[in-house]
Amino acid sequence: DTGVSQDPRHKITKRGQNVTFRCDPISEHNRLYWYRQTLGQGPEFLTYFQNEAQLEKSRLLSDRFSAERPKGSFSTLEIQRTEQGDSAMYLCASSYLGSGYTFGSGTRLTVV
Amino acid sequence: GIQVEQSPPDLILQEGANSTLRCNFSDSVNNLQWFHQNPWGQLINLFYIPSGTKQNGRLSATTVATERYSLLYISSSQTTDSGVYFCAVTAGYSGAGSYQLTFGKGTKLSVIP
Repeated sequence: DTGVSQDPRHKITKRGQNVTFRCDPISEHNRLYWYRQTLGQGPEFLTYFQNEAQLEKSRLLSDRFSAERPKGSFSTLEIQRTEQGDSAMYLCASSYLGSGYTFGSGTRLTVV
Repeated sequence: GIQVEQSPPDLILQEGANSTLRCNFSDSVNNLQWFHQNPWGQLINLFYIPSGTKQNGRLSATTVATERYSLLYISSSQTTDSGVYFCAVTAGYSGAGSYQLTFGKGTKLSVIP
């Protein structure tokens, strides 16, 4: 069990560019979640996968955001046409039925 | 949706002191977790405790689900305990939104030598 891995750890991008983040969950966990955290706040839910199916999406997930989990393994979160308001820590978590959530180290996005 | 309130928002302790952090939630829960967020942003799971009492070293937690609150106890605090402590819950119903972990605003703990 190597925990939840996220890549990259940090990303600086110019406004208007597209960015993609990757999350590798704990292998036996069938549920995967993306959260966003801004400075001084608790993490906020973005989206949830059970295996490869995306079952829930938050209103925070605008049309510029898309998430995938092909084959129910790793997941990617893409942000198109980034805006300064997208600057945040993007956290991935995974879980299994009846277990708590395990979070990755996060990807810190800075849009300049 | 379910509301989570944590208190106090900020806490400063002398090294070696004990403390109690509180989490109140507005509805029944299926899951309750306490996390410690370190200065690098990593959320470390401390306890998965939808009910009952658990202990892990200097830390312990109690959740009284019927009264909708949870307490995190830190004894003999150390400077490495500094950071933000979050309580997070999933609502106690099935269906849409039931898998969303809802976080409180956190308690920022500073332990000074």
